[in-house]
Amino acid sequence: DSGVTQTPKHLITATGQRVTLRCSPRSGDLSVYWYQQSLDQGLQFLIQYYNGEERAKGNILERFSAQQFPDLHSELNLSSLELGDSALYFCASSPRTDTQYFGPGTRLTVL
Amino acid sequence: AQSVTQPDIHITVSEGASLELRCNYSYGATPYLFWYVQSPGQGLQLLLKYFSGDTLVQGIKGFEAEFKRSQSSFNLRKPSVHWSDAAEYFCAVAPVLGGGYNKLIFGAGTRLAVHP
Repeated sequence: DSGVTQTPKHLITATGQRVTLRCSPRSGDLSVYWYQQSLDQGLQFLIQYYNGEERAKGNILERFSAQQFPDLHSELNLSSLELGDSALYFCASSPRTDTQYFGPGTRLTVL
Repeated sequence: AQSVTQPDIHITVSEGASLELRCNYSYGATPYLFWYVQSPGQGLQLLLKYFSGDTLVQGIKGFEAEFKRSQSSFNLRKPSVHWSDAAEYFCAVAPVLGGGYNKLIFGAGTRLAVHP
């Protein structure tokens, strides 16, 4: 158990819908990272937040957004969902920019 | 652009045999280097990391990796594989930024099967 929690574990929704994925980092970790794991793209970095501020952006679609709240938990919002958004979404956390500890992931299925 | 290549998509070894998983990276300088393992339905667990110093790095579960700058490689090894090592293994690099890093760039992964 890495100490990073993600909810929900599974999410099934329809095309065009919007979902929110939640991540609670390890106690004391200020950085939160989001990654997408799909069969065709592999594991890809989406975005990083540090103490509430966006720090780095990767291959994140404009339909996706994230934020980190004052209690350091983070949410990843995915809107106008398409079939291709079906993937495993991981959250990771680290104290600053050190080792990233990954959560168990949220499996999103878009039908 | 930075990239990571894991040439072997699938590897099958017998229990007790030695293992080497290959990883090559493309980056202008020496990045931070990592190996993660993902068991079915699980998240990613860090096996080991290289930031600097000794090029032979020891990790958890009896794994080690060797950084070879001249070959841009960071191969993962284990002298004797156990059935519980069956999983998918990911090599990752992180471009160094002011002493730290943010994003991890992952290879495509190597799926390890272990025969009894």
